[in-house]
Amino acid sequence: GESVGLHLPTLSVQEGDNSIINCAYSNSASDYFIWYKQESGKGPQFIIDIRSNMDKRQGQRVTVLLNKTVKHLSLQIAATQPGDSAVYFCAERPGRGSTLGRLYFGRGTQLTVWP
Amino acid sequence: DAGVTQSPTHLIKTRGQQVTLRCSPKSGHDTVSWYQQALGQGPQFIFQYYEEEERQRGNFPDRFSGHQFPNYSSELNVNALLLGDSALYLCASSLEGGAVEKLFFGSGTQLSVL
Repeated sequence: GESVGLHLPTLSVQEGDNSIINCAYSNSASDYFIWYKQESGKGPQFIIDIRSNMDKRQGQRVTVLLNKTVKHLSLQIAATQPGDSAVYFCAERPGRGSTLGRLYFGRGTQLTVWP
Repeated sequence: DAGVTQSPTHLIKTRGQQVTLRCSPKSGHDTVSWYQQALGQGPQFIFQYYEEEERQRGNFPDRFSGHQFPNYSSELNVNALLLGDSALYLCASSLEGGAVEKLFFGSGTQLSVL
């Protein structure tokens, strides 16, 4: 995930715009990636996942892109809504043989959507 | 269909005390993982339980221990609490060998150590 810093990365967008949240992962052997959304006072909520044999995967209003060459993930949210305001985490599973439950999370990005 | 439930939601303890947190997995799930989330950080893996055994463990001291019961529910125990143990403790469940690889999280237990 993201390298540790002192402050949570933030992204502010206007309602209706598209959002792009980026994540650099650390392990080139990671084979599975998940994006989670965490609202205040709640646990992380699954958004979308992608396996390492794919470059792109689309869901409802969300798209995940995977660039294994530079170990980079991005989450694109189309027509961002106020309800999308939350902290977004990318998580990686460190390779074959590792169980699903053991995920490595980045620091997260705080997305704020302005009306 | 109940999701992952955790109790209590909030807890205040003092240094040196012991605490037990509880988790019931999502219906049909048999594997429970515990995570610690410090303020402003991503969750960090503590350990995972499957078939009542600790299967994997992250970089946490032995003060952190757990248990899984025959009904798949789980407990996280922390002994000799330190101020640095203050965090949100998340339980996540999954299905071993499941075709759908999604980890479901509870809302967590907010632990404050004074």
